[in-house]
Amino acid sequence: DSGVTQTPKHLITATGQRVTLRCSPRSGDLSVYWYQQSLDQGLQFLIQYYNGEERAKGNILERFSAQQFPDLHSELNLSSLELGDSALYFCASSLGLAGWDEQFFGPGTRLTVL
Amino acid sequence: AQKVTQAQTEISVVEKEDVTLDCVYETRDTTYYLFWYKQPPSGELVFLIRRNSFDEQNEISGRYSWNFQKSTSSFNFTITASQVVDSAVYFCALSDLDSSYKLIFGSGTRLLVRP
Repeated sequence: DSGVTQTPKHLITATGQRVTLRCSPRSGDLSVYWYQQSLDQGLQFLIQYYNGEERAKGNILERFSAQQFPDLHSELNLSSLELGDSALYFCASSLGLAGWDEQFFGPGTRLTVL
Repeated sequence: AQKVTQAQTEISVVEKEDVTLDCVYETRDTTYYLFWYKQPPSGELVFLIRRNSFDEQNEISGRYSWNFQKSTSSFNFTITASQVVDSAVYFCALSDLDSSYKLIFGSGTRLLVRP
């Protein structure tokens, strides 16, 4: 158990809908990262927050947004969902803000868009 | 541009065999970090090792060992006396200045260890 929690574990929704994925980092970790794992794109970095501020951005679509709250939990919002957004979404956390820090991954949220 | 290549898509071995997973990386930076992660069938990603570009010493941890060679831009991972529990997808990843130190993952190698 990495100490990172993600909810929900599974999510099934329809095209055009909006969903929110939630992540609680390990106790004491200030950075939260979001990743998308899909069959065609592999594991891709989406975005990083450090202590409430956006720190780094990857190939995140404009339909996607994220935020980190004062209690350090983070939410990833996916809107106008398309079939291609079906994927496993991981959250990871680390103590510091450097991307090379050891990142601890949550169990993931499997999103299915029908 | 930075890139991580894991040419072996899938490897199948019999228990107790040794197996090496290859990882080749590309970066223009002199300071970078390399990682290996394991993704068992349950789905979570488990950190195995991090190595910085200035430390070329090979590392051994139990049945696991890593061979870092800057001359060939490779960071290979060997499992000695493989076990069924080693069955998983293994990812190699790179973090460098050019990527703002984001993790760039390879496509992964699926290892199947048969009893």
